[in-house]
Amino acid sequence: AQRVTQPEKLLSVFKGAPVELKCNYSYSGSPELFWYVQYSRQRLQLLLRHISRESIKGFTADLNKGETSFHLKKPFAQEEDSAMYYCALSGGFQKLVFGTGTRLLVSP
Amino acid sequence: SAVISQKPSRDICQRGTSLTIQCQVDSQVTMMFWYRQQPGQSLTLIATANQGSEATYESGFVIDKFPISRPNLTFSTLTVSNMSPEDSSIYLCSVEASSYGYTFGSGTRLTVV
Repeated sequence: AQRVTQPEKLLSVFKGAPVELKCNYSYSGSPELFWYVQYSRQRLQLLLRHISRESIKGFTADLNKGETSFHLKKPFAQEEDSAMYYCALSGGFQKLVFGTGTRLLVSP
Repeated sequence: SAVISQKPSRDICQRGTSLTIQCQVDSQVTMMFWYRQQPGQSLTLIATANQGSEATYESGFVIDKFPISRPNLTFSTLTVSNMSPEDSSIYLCSVEASSYGYTFGSGTRLTVV
């Protein structure tokens, strides 16, 4: 079975502090992992996918197959990063399984 | 990436009635996906819709409650039938947009009273 776990419902940091949003997954095959972000009053949008190995808006995420993790990191948080972040897994048949989400709140 | 137009954006419906949600994509896609996001919850896949065949429903979702149409490669509808307050959720459609990943509609916020 495919499962995505985001242990933190809320992560509150100050501007300029490092951020790490945790994501662990369970899947027996080779997964494709994504991070999606939803800013206030906006639609869900793709932030990162592991196969592209990009850095978007200063965020990076590395797939660690040994620890079955795909944590999202940013060295210096900005207020505009405040949003809901969802980790998602695609294990086949092109459908996504989402974690429960982490709300990131960046305070000035 | 593909652009999805979803409507209505929100609706308030009486229990026992049905609501049909539409999604229009600006390019042809093989599969369209319908998700539900209940209040305070994550997104849960309802079904996958292929053009020209019956939709494939996930465990816990049935065709009689959530009939889906997929008449062509750019359009799909999801109907929420015989609604009850427990159906109050945000409903979203999604497509896989080539190498960009999955794109989502803006969602339909449904309130059943």
